[in-house]
Amino acid sequence: EAEVAQSPRYKITEKSQAVAFWCDPISGHATLYWYRQILGQGPELLVQFQDESVVDDSQLPKDRFSAERLKGVDSTLKIQPAELGDSAMYLCASSLTHEQFFGPGTRLTVL
Amino acid sequence: GENVEQHPSTLSVQEGDSAVIKCTYSDSASNYFPWYKQELGKGPQLIIDIRSNVGEKKDQRIAVTLNKTAKHFSLHITETQPEDSAVYFCAASNYGQNFVFGPGTRLSVLP
Repeated sequence: EAEVAQSPRYKITEKSQAVAFWCDPISGHATLYWYRQILGQGPELLVQFQDESVVDDSQLPKDRFSAERLKGVDSTLKIQPAELGDSAMYLCASSLTHEQFFGPGTRLTVL
Repeated sequence: GENVEQHPSTLSVQEGDSAVIKCTYSDSASNYFPWYKQELGKGPQLIIDIRSNVGEKKDQRIAVTLNKTAKHFSLHITETQPEDSAVYFCAASNYGQNFVFGPGTRLSVLP
């Protein structure tokens, strides 16, 4: 069964450092989503891509977060500089139509 | 923008009993309502979904009902089993855009 891949699974960094997360969606899925999930809360959409184009980044803190999907396949989410409040699970999802399939996530801890 | 509320935040049931989780949404343009199950340390997994042109959908022990007029939808799990214990999230979307998640319900099925 095809799955969404994410790496790394865990990342510990110090505040003010740069971090990057990678996502490889299910083959053929044109839509890719990045979410942030704070412990005990529901996922919050950060950015949505349709192929290589951003269709929604209204909740992305653009002063420190950036996302790209250059060839319309895999994607990278970057934070620079990281802050203590960025500690969370970062989830990637992909979809062909409406149904979203999530990856296992990257657990980020900022010290 | 869309706002999704979810109740209860925690739910404990005896094995074999039924569990019901309710969500309300605010944006009448939302037309796709998925439910996800998230186990500890994993990404959310789609368990069932419903579109606005349908009032009820069932898949084995899981069912979802939608009341468009009242803007609420519910997840029903019958004959609960210990492996149903997890956090459940509802979400609302407009044609696969603008996904907004509820805050989650922690379900515990007691043997």
